[in-house]
Amino acid sequence: GQQVMQIPQYQHVQEGEDFTTYCNSSTTLSNIQWYKQRPGGHPVFLIQLVKSGEVKKQKRLTFQFGEAKKNSSLHITATQTTDVGTYFCAERSTDSWGKLQFGAGTQVVVTP
Amino acid sequence: ETGVTQTPRHLVMGMTNKKSLKCEQHLGHNAMYWYKQSAKKPLELMFVYSLEERVENNSVPSRFSPECPNSSHLFLHLHTLQPEDSALYLCASSRRLRLNEQFFGPGTRLTVL
Repeated sequence: GQQVMQIPQYQHVQEGEDFTTYCNSSTTLSNIQWYKQRPGGHPVFLIQLVKSGEVKKQKRLTFQFGEAKKNSSLHITATQTTDVGTYFCAERSTDSWGKLQFGAGTQVVVTP
Repeated sequence: ETGVTQTPRHLVMGMTNKKSLKCEQHLGHNAMYWYKQSAKKPLELMFVYSLEERVENNSVPSRFSPECPNSSHLFLHLHTLQPEDSALYLCASSRRLRLNEQFFGPGTRLTVL
């Protein structure tokens, strides 16, 4: 089935810097959800994007859905140590019950 | 967050043991899910229940047996597991099957010796 690819797999960021992680698909996505999992924790829902070209912001986090609905990005400005964790994108399938297909995640490490 | 709870949090079992994982959601949701999270692998969906009916069995070996007695509780019965089954098992719930975000429990860290 469809699978979303996340890049990079690992991201080392200096505190205060910005970074972007990407979620790509070879086919059109119905929608995209983003989750964050802190080390030793469980995935926590961040946002859902549905419309082509949609942009949503949560404080220092900016989420974008591509115009062709084949990719999505998460941009974090002025990274803080609290941003440490793995960020997953997940695509909801269009089958009868809408299974979530998770990407492998981007593991973010922040150095002070 | 205490919306979705899981017990036990850690479990070590031998390959011949039988154990059960429990999940309870206090959110009034109608759908519940079991996921397996192994190191360096994406989250793998195992089972889905909607209003206590199983709607998906994602090619999971029969040594994993789910049970959903009501919309608030979900169990995963384990029997004759293999060491490669060692992983974090996450339970999640959502308001409805096709819509809304999923809320995850803290997970059970399972080690099979």
